[in-house]
Amino acid sequence: QKEVEQNSGPLSVPEGAIASLNCTYSDRGSQSFFWYRQYSGKSPELIMFIYSNGDKEDGRFTAQLNKASQYVSLLIRDSQPSDSATYLCAAWAGSSNTGKLIFGQGTTLQVKP
Amino acid sequence: NAGVTQTPKFRILKIGQSMTLQCTQDMNHNYMYWYRQDPGMGLKLIYYSVGAGITDKGEVPNGYNVSRSTTEDFPLRLELAAPSQTSVYFCASSYSNPSGGFSTDTQYFGPGTRLTVL
Repeated sequence: QKEVEQNSGPLSVPEGAIASLNCTYSDRGSQSFFWYRQYSGKSPELIMFIYSNGDKEDGRFTAQLNKASQYVSLLIRDSQPSDSATYLCAAWAGSSNTGKLIFGQGTTLQVKP
Repeated sequence: NAGVTQTPKFRILKIGQSMTLQCTQDMNHNYMYWYRQDPGMGLKLIYYSVGAGITDKGEVPNGYNVSRSTTEDFPLRLELAAPSQTSVYFCASSYSNPSGGFSTDTQYFGPGTRLTVL
């Protein structure tokens, strides 16, 4: 069974700190990975995706991928209280026309003023 | 664009009742999905569709049925509701180019339907 694992948290960081969210996946065939943010009572929205080993930066967000270790992470720099949400990691399983997203259970982030 | 819309927002069902959750997207996306999210959990894929007339099972299809007669609509049918189907249901859509080896497509989610089965 293909799985994506995340620590459910909560992860608590002070305002202005770096938040580090981690995710591991079981399917070595997965090639693309996604981070979604979900505010309480709302629907998920995409933050960013990554498919190459290394880092990908978008504003205050950096996604990191290590395929050898089957590990994906999301760093949030200069964390703000508005970043408090649940962050869902997802791996694309299969080919683009027959595959599907496998989601982890999410990590709840609390940014304290 | 309204994006992905879902109705109803909330519903309480009795055990054994049936209902249809509606989902419509106006972005001309070819792919559509139904997920359920239990409290404190991630999203589990119920069914998905790669185009009108084509549907396939996800991770947790038992107790549900879908159809896709148009590009815009992807209703989810619950037959014989059970307490285990109490959950929040999200519909999503994406535009996927079926020529690549993997996907980097953004899925756009609807606001969700909160269903309780008593």
